[in-house]
Amino acid sequence: AQKITQTQPGMFVQEKEAVTLDCTYDTSDPSYGLFWYKQPSSGEMIFLIYQGSYDQQNATEGRYSLNFQKARKSANLVISASQLGDSAMYFCAMREGRLGGKLIFGQGTELSVKP
Amino acid sequence: DAGITQSPRHKVTETGTPVTLRCHQTENHRYMYWYRQDPGHGLRLIHYSYGVKDTDKGEVSDGYSVSRSKTEDFLLTLESATSSQTSVYFCAISPTGGTYEQYFGPGTRLTVT
Repeated sequence: AQKITQTQPGMFVQEKEAVTLDCTYDTSDPSYGLFWYKQPSSGEMIFLIYQGSYDQQNATEGRYSLNFQKARKSANLVISASQLGDSAMYFCAMREGRLGGKLIFGQGTELSVKP
Repeated sequence: DAGITQSPRHKVTETGTPVTLRCHQTENHRYMYWYRQDPGHGLRLIHYSYGVKDTDKGEVSDGYSVSRSKTEDFLLTLESATSSQTSVYFCAISPTGGTYEQYFGPGTRLTVT
């Protein structure tokens, strides 16, 4: 069965420092996709970054990068130069199968950025 | 802005009553999804649709039904609401079947008393 694990319920980081949020996954499907979403206190789900299982390079989007280690089945999110507005819940998700693109989510990590 | 609206945004209803939540998109995307989010959980898939009149069950589909008669609308119905269905419900859309990103609506907070 496919599964996503986020082992850090909460994390703190100092403003302007980098932070890594951990995500491990388990799947037997050779084709899959990994996603990170941000959920601020206002409640909306904001797409941050995507990594495909066949992508050779780690995905990057501005201050966000995904540290994809396929052999370890990990897809950690790295946020560089943290800002106060980065304080939020962060969810890792995996696409299940090919047709339909159903996502399986981890339980989330709550990030707090300190001034 | 992914062009997704959900209605209502907030609803309080009594146990045993039927409830319908609406998701509307302006993007003409093929794939639409309903998820629920509960404290301590990420999002869990209820139902999804891969085209008009084409729907399938997700992980937590018991007690829910869906309909999609038009590309732009995906309805989620609780036939007889229970307190365990108190949750925040998110609709999502995807142009490519989720190969890349899914975009989420603002959510509907449903309370069943």
